[in-house]
Amino acid sequence: KNEVEQSPQNLTAQEGEFITINCSYSVGISALHWLQQHPGGGIVSLFMLSSGKKKHGRLIATINIQEKHSSLHITASHPRDSAVYICAVINQGAQKLVFGQGTRLTINP
Amino acid sequence: DTAVSQTPKYLVTQMGNDKSIKCEQNLGHDTMYWYKQDSKKFLKIMFSYNNKELIINETVPNRFSPKSPDKAHLNLHINSLELGDSAVYFCASSSQGAFWNTGELFFGEGSRLTVL
Repeated sequence: KNEVEQSPQNLTAQEGEFITINCSYSVGISALHWLQQHPGGGIVSLFMLSSGKKKHGRLIATINIQEKHSSLHITASHPRDSAVYICAVINQGAQKLVFGQGTRLTINP
Repeated sequence: DTAVSQTPKYLVTQMGNDKSIKCEQNLGHDTMYWYKQDSKKFLKIMFSYNNKELIINETVPNRFSPKSPDKAHLNLHINSLELGDSAVYFCASSSQGAFWNTGELFFGEGSRLTVL
């Protein structure tokens, strides 16, 4: 079983819907990343979290260290949000990212 | 002006050949990485260099050899290519201090390698 599990693996929604993508991990971490991979393949770092919550525009990321769980929310989703969203954790002490399998999000107009 | 650039973007080659993928960053970062994304879209770290020194070397076949001539470049050379090497290879860079504190990690566009 992978150290980082995301759900759902695929998500299709209508424009305007509130989106939630979940990430659970099984190892001790020093921080967690959310990444966005565009349809063209490029990867962009969205957030790094070690506790609490961060917000950037319509994106909100939360983390619960005790429960080893993080969520990425998108409010008022738009077709341009269509991408693969990847959760990755920094394994405590290892100084490397361990990636989830990604969630493919499709927002239909 | 691209921050992390990889070449080539696409590479199609025969089994048994040797090929290289180049990566350059103009961000002044200390640390560079190579990641492999397989057909199931799983990303996995292969190597990490900090100021031209190897700091992470995952369980990668010896056929893969990274080379960092200076801290702005990290090239990946692959010998005796196999079918299973087909994947997208991503280069990334970070300022070591920034990455662990602020999460600033910059990826290249990826190099899609297809081995026939």
